[in-house]
Amino acid sequence: GQNIDQPTEMTATEGAIVQINCTYQTSGFNGLFWYQQHAGEAPTFLSYNVLDGLEEKGRFSSFLSRSKGYSYLLLKELQMKDSASYLCAVRDSNYQLIWGAGTKLIIKP
Amino acid sequence: IAGITQAPTSQILAAGRRMTLRCTQDMRHNAMYWYRQDLGLGLRLIHYSNTAGTTGKGEVPDGYSVSRANTDDFPLTLASAVPSQTSVYFCASSETPGTRGTDTQYFGPGTRLTVL
Repeated sequence: GQNIDQPTEMTATEGAIVQINCTYQTSGFNGLFWYQQHAGEAPTFLSYNVLDGLEEKGRFSSFLSRSKGYSYLLLKELQMKDSASYLCAVRDSNYQLIWGAGTKLIIKP
Repeated sequence: IAGITQAPTSQILAAGRRMTLRCTQDMRHNAMYWYRQDLGLGLRLIHYSNTAGTTGKGEVPDGYSVSRANTDDFPLTLASAVPSQTSVYFCASSETPGTRGTDTQYFGPGTRLTVL
C-alpha cells in the first residue's frame, strides 16, 4: 500500500527554527509537494522537490532524499502566522497525489 | 480575480437526499480534482478529470459521480447522501497533468457538508 507519515503535531517558539519530517512509501515517485493549510482554509502550495537536495524559498526550505523516502520542511524565523497544518504529498506513478494527514504546527510567543 | 470557486460554502443534508457540489475555475487549467478531507486523514481523491470530456476514479469514488462538460466546471454529485459522506470537500485544478513538471494543484475554498 501507499503511505505518507508525518508527525501529528509540533510546537515551536516564535523566532525559532522547526523541521517537519515526512517519510513515504509509494508506488512510483514523480515529485513531492509541501502545502500549508490554515484552519478552515484551503491548502496552498509551498514547495516542490523532484531531485535530491535542498530547495530554498525565503524562510522556507524543503529537502528530499529519494533513496531514503524522506523529506523535510524547514521553517526559519518562525512567526505567529506560521501556525497552520503542513501537508506532505507525493505524486505517484499514476501522477496522482498521495497525501499525508498533515502536521499541525503550534507557534508560541 | 482568477481562481477556483466552490458552492455552497456549507450545507446540512438529510440522508438519502441528492446533492451537487459546484466547482468553477477561470484559470483555463486542463485538470480538475475533487478531494475529501476528514480529521486525522490526508486528503483523499474522489474523482478527477485530466481534460474536458474525460473523468477518472480516485481512491474513494463510491457514492459520488462527476461530469466535465467544459474546461471551467466540474460538479460533484452525491446521488443518495449517507452520514459517512460528512466531510469537507475541496475542488482543485492544475495546468498540465501527467507530466513531471511542478503541475501545482490550486484549491478552492471548500464545502463543509454534514449528512444527518
